[in-house]
Amino acid sequence: QKEVEQNSGPLSVPEGAIASLNCTYSDRGSQSFFWYRQYSGKSPELIMSIYSNGDKEDGRFTAQLNKASQYVSLLIRDSQPSDSATYLCAVNNYGQNFVFGPGTRLSVLP
Amino acid sequence: DGGITQSPKYLFRKEGQNVTLSCEQNLNHDAMYWYRQDPGQGLRLIYYSQIVNDFQKGDIAEGYSVSREKKESFPLTVTSAQKNPTAFYLCASSILYGAGGLNQPQHFGDGTRLSIL
Repeated sequence: QKEVEQNSGPLSVPEGAIASLNCTYSDRGSQSFFWYRQYSGKSPELIMSIYSNGDKEDGRFTAQLNKASQYVSLLIRDSQPSDSATYLCAVNNYGQNFVFGPGTRLSVLP
Repeated sequence: DGGITQSPKYLFRKEGQNVTLSCEQNLNHDAMYWYRQDPGQGLRLIYYSQIVNDFQKGDIAEGYSVSREKKESFPLTVTSAQKNPTAFYLCASSILYGAGGLNQPQHFGDGTRLSIL
């Protein structure tokens, strides 16, 4: 059974701080990694895709991938109350289906 | 605007009734997916389709059925055999493979919230 694990949270950070969200996965052959944000009662929206080891930055968001450690993380700099949501990690291997983690609930405190 | 349209937004099912959730996309994506999300839980795959007239069961297909007669459309029927249908249902689509054969992200519709009357 291929698994993706995330701390369920809630992770609470003060406004302006860096929020660090972590995800581990069991399938060593995984090639594609995605972070989604889901506001309460809404559908997931894509934040970042990452395919290679290292860091990928997009605005206040940085995704970090370490395939050797089977670990992918999302950093949110200068966290805002509007960042309060559940963050889903999704992992995919060639030709196979996405496996989603249970999500980490982030709360940014004003 | 390109996107994925799910309807209805809210749906109520009576006992013994089959109900159908609609999913239409105009993104020209080959692959389409149905997920179920229970409160405080992650996404669980019900069915997926990579090509017209073909679909595969996901992890929780029992009590559900789908069809893929057109590339744009992937309706989900929740049958009376699904004894606990109350959940948030999400349809997604994606390009199958991008550069280097890597899987591309899924994009989601706004969801349908199904409840039992």
